Amino acid sequence: DGGITQSPKYLFRKEGQNVTLSCEQNLNHDAMYWYRQDPGQGLRLIYYSQIVNDFQKGDIAEGYSVSREKKESFPLTVTSAQKNPTAFYLCASSIKGEEETQYFGPGTRLLVL
Amino acid sequence: QKEVEQDPGPLSVPEGAIVSLNCTYSNSAFQYFMWYRQYSRKGPELLMYTYSSGNKEDGRFTAQVDKSSKYISLFIRDSQPSDSATYLCAIAKTSYDKVIFGPGTSLSVIP
Repeated sequence: DGGITQSPKYLFRKEGQNVTLSCEQNLNHDAMYWYRQDPGQGLRLIYYSQIVNDFQKGDIAEGYSVSREKKESFPLTVTSAQKNPTAFYLCASSIKGEEETQYFGPGTRLLVL
Repeated sequence: QKEVEQDPGPLSVPEGAIVSLNCTYSNSAFQYFMWYRQYSRKGPELLMYTYSSGNKEDGRFTAQVDKSSKYISLFIRDSQPSDSATYLCAIAKTSYDKVIFGPGTSLSVIP
């Protein structure tokens, strides 16, 4: 089955710790995205990548980092600099040039201990 | 002013009712209009997508765009309990542009 997988489903972070969220897709999509979802707010774009080895900051990139070494994979690291990391994180992908039709993964819920 | 606004609800309707979900947007440059459905603790899934203005129908779902009023709507006919979810509207200026999501409207269809 083609799709997007995210792991883990739940993640707990201690103060001062960096954590990495995994996102993998087998849709052969060039573009991949990371969003953060908080209650009562729309999805906010953290980072996006339209091609391997290239990525751009979204609206709320501070405290986050990404890499895009493979077309299929776009991991997100939540660093200790992100002071309010508790949220639902969603990864998405699309065909390049068709950003209006994005396919989402199941999400990772990050909680701070 | 936010680029897209959406009443968060919650909206509760009886099974079989017609549901109307709406969003307004601020900039006439937006050309792409999408509706996503998100079940609790799941990722959103694309439900409907419209380019420019007009209506688009898919089964029980109809998406409507009124560019003169900067108003987009999603109608659900014969609503079912399985339609209970949060519905997110989304807009974009071009197919290469960032997609902007509304906060979502929570819908409950009561059997």
